[in-house]
Amino acid sequence: AQTVTQSQPEMSVQEAETVTLSCTYDTSESDYYLFWYKQPPSRQMILVIRQEAYKQQNATENRFSVNFQKAAKSFSLKISDSQLGDAAMYFCAYRSARGSGTYKYIFGTGTRLKVLA
Amino acid sequence: DSGVTQTPKHLITATGQRVTLRCSPRSGDLSVYWYQQSLDQGLQFLIHYYNGEERAKGNILERFSAQQFPDLHSELNLSSLELGDSALYFCASSVAGLAGSDTQYFGPGTRLTVL
Repeated sequence: AQTVTQSQPEMSVQEAETVTLSCTYDTSESDYYLFWYKQPPSRQMILVIRQEAYKQQNATENRFSVNFQKAAKSFSLKISDSQLGDAAMYFCAYRSARGSGTYKYIFGTGTRLKVLA
Repeated sequence: DSGVTQTPKHLITATGQRVTLRCSPRSGDLSVYWYQQSLDQGLQFLIHYYNGEERAKGNILERFSAQQFPDLHSELNLSSLELGDSALYFCASSVAGLAGSDTQYFGPGTRLTVL
């Protein structure tokens, strides 16, 4: 069965610095998607970044980038130039590439990121 | 604001009761997804509807059911409620029904408290 593990319950970063959040997963599927979601205090989930497993190039979205290591089943999120608004809970998620049926969509337990002024 | 609306924002009910949560997707989105976020179980995918038809099931209990109507809004029905059903229930919508490649936009959630 697929699993997603976020081993860092909480992280802190100084404003303007860089921080990396870790995520590992386990799957026997060859095609899948990986996501990082942000959940600020408002509780609304926001997609930060997405990575297709078949793509070797790491995804980037402005200050957010991932380090996708398919063989190691690792998917870390790097936040550069951290801002106070980045403070939130971050969830790593795995989703099967199948379009229908009982596809798997699994979330990690989250990492709470604190940004220090 | 994601454009996805959920009602009600808060719901307090008793064990054994039945409730209905409502979700209106973004204009033009055909897919609706339901999620449950609880302290015990974390964030779990429940079910996915695309253009009125069930597309995929996750960890949805038999006491729970959902449907998507012709106007594309969706309802999640929770029956025989237990204390452990207390959670934040999110719905999300996306343009199509493609697994993973669609960006999902989440609503603000409905906070359900079962006493």
